[in-house]
Amino acid sequence: QTVVTQEASFSVSPGGTVTLTCGLSSGSVSTTYYPNWYKQTPGQAPRTLIYNTDTRSSGVPDRFSGSILGNEAALTITGAQADDEADYYCVLCMGSGVSLFGGGTRLTVL
Amino acid sequence: EVQLLESGGGLVRSGGSLRLSCAASGFTFSKYAMTWVRQAPGKGLEWVSAISGTGGSTYYADSVRGRFTISRDNSKNTLFLQMNSLRVEDTALYYCAKRFYVNSGYYFDYWGLGAQVTVSS
Repeated sequence: QTVVTQEASFSVSPGGTVTLTCGLSSGSVSTTYYPNWYKQTPGQAPRTLIYNTDTRSSGVPDRFSGSILGNEAALTITGAQADDEADYYCVLCMGSGVSLFGGGTRLTVL
Repeated sequence: EVQLLESGGGLVRSGGSLRLSCAASGFTFSKYAMTWVRQAPGKGLEWVSAISGTGGSTYYADSVRGRFTISRDNSKNTLFLQMNSLRVEDTALYYCAKRFYVNSGYYFDYWGLGAQVTVSS
């Protein structure tokens, strides 16, 4: 069974840069999976950050960027701020209407 | 303004059934595929099911296939999730989300606040 992999946790200093990744247990992530990235803070519904690999959703600051790095999708946050502390999820479109979420990365800003 | 409002959650015994609803407004409901995503307490998000705009195509995660049924009533702008043979591990907050297609890909552009489903043993 295919699993979408993400780092369980990551920490970044205020003002720093962090790259979160999204891989597949078998195979490589490419643009054909149309990777999405979502941010979720406690008690809130998820919010779209990035879709189709590298397109920022409306209102998302350009500190957030998406890409493919090697065989993984990546979300890079530059100039990290305190309110970037959250859980980040990637989602891959697996075809036939099926989506797969990664396990999420808890980002700490300290 | 797009709004998605889930209802129908509650406490049910293992083996029981529940039907979730998601009332949609602020967009042409029949034009968009819709999705259910769940989140168990303290856990990550899990895609559960999706349905095309017409309702003619449905998709399920392996964990719920054969037990859950997604449907929609486009005349009432409402999405449903019929959950049968519920298990303790189905306990979660269930979100409905609107699916938006762009350039051959898609993402979930609007989410509801969720409906809590608790399955006791």
